[in-house]
Amino acid sequence: DIQMTQSPSSLSASVGDRVTITCRASQRISSYLNWYQQKPGKAPNLLIYGASSLQSGVPSRFSGSGSGTDFTLTISSLQPEDFATYYCQQCYTTALTFGGGTKVEIK
Amino acid sequence: QVQLVESGGGVVQPGRSLRLSCAASGFNSNSYGMHWVRQAPGKGLEWVAVIWYDGSNKYYADSVKGRFTISRDNSKNMVHLQMNSLRAEDTAVYYCARVNDYGDHKLSAFDIWGQGTTVTVSS
Repeated sequence: DIQMTQSPSSLSASVGDRVTITCRASQRISSYLNWYQQKPGKAPNLLIYGASSLQSGVPSRFSGSGSGTDFTLTISSLQPEDFATYYCQQCYTTALTFGGGTKVEIK
Repeated sequence: QVQLVESGGGVVQPGRSLRLSCAASGFNSNSYGMHWVRQAPGKGLEWVAVIWYDGSNKYYADSVKGRFTISRDNSKNMVHLQMNSLRAEDTAVYYCARVNDYGDHKLSAFDIWGQGTTVTVSS
């Protein structure tokens, strides 16, 4: 299976900060990478699909980039509602795999 | 509105079985592949199984292969997960999720999720 490694596993940031989360795949996955946001007690919510396409209804402060093995999720200006855990997920193979998550906390 | 509602979770002893169900509404579920994803307490997300839109193909995570079976009844807009020989490590919230390929047959993004149903395996 393809291993997905996210970094950092957690971070502290302030409202208005620019936040970057990285995800690395154990082998090349082209652009078959999605990003999700999950808040406590809730199901995940799709933010970005195909590495860089913004899901309908998701604020434009979220953006994704990368291809091959290295990917990035960027929040351009962190808002109070963005404090959550973020997961990447590869769909290059049938055996889908997620990264371990990045928890974004309030500084 | 478009939604998925899971049911069937509960507390079960190791070695026993449980059947989860997922009811789809607000969209033509016959046109979508459907997945189960689980999340152990305090842990990350783990993909469990997928069934194609027409039920023609099914794939499983190695951790559940041979014990879990995914099925669907398109006449009732339902997806099921039969879980046998349950283990303590199967304890998790189980989510049903719709996959969208956005026109790229290789892309699988979970665009609709249920609220989850909790399975606890304990003696």
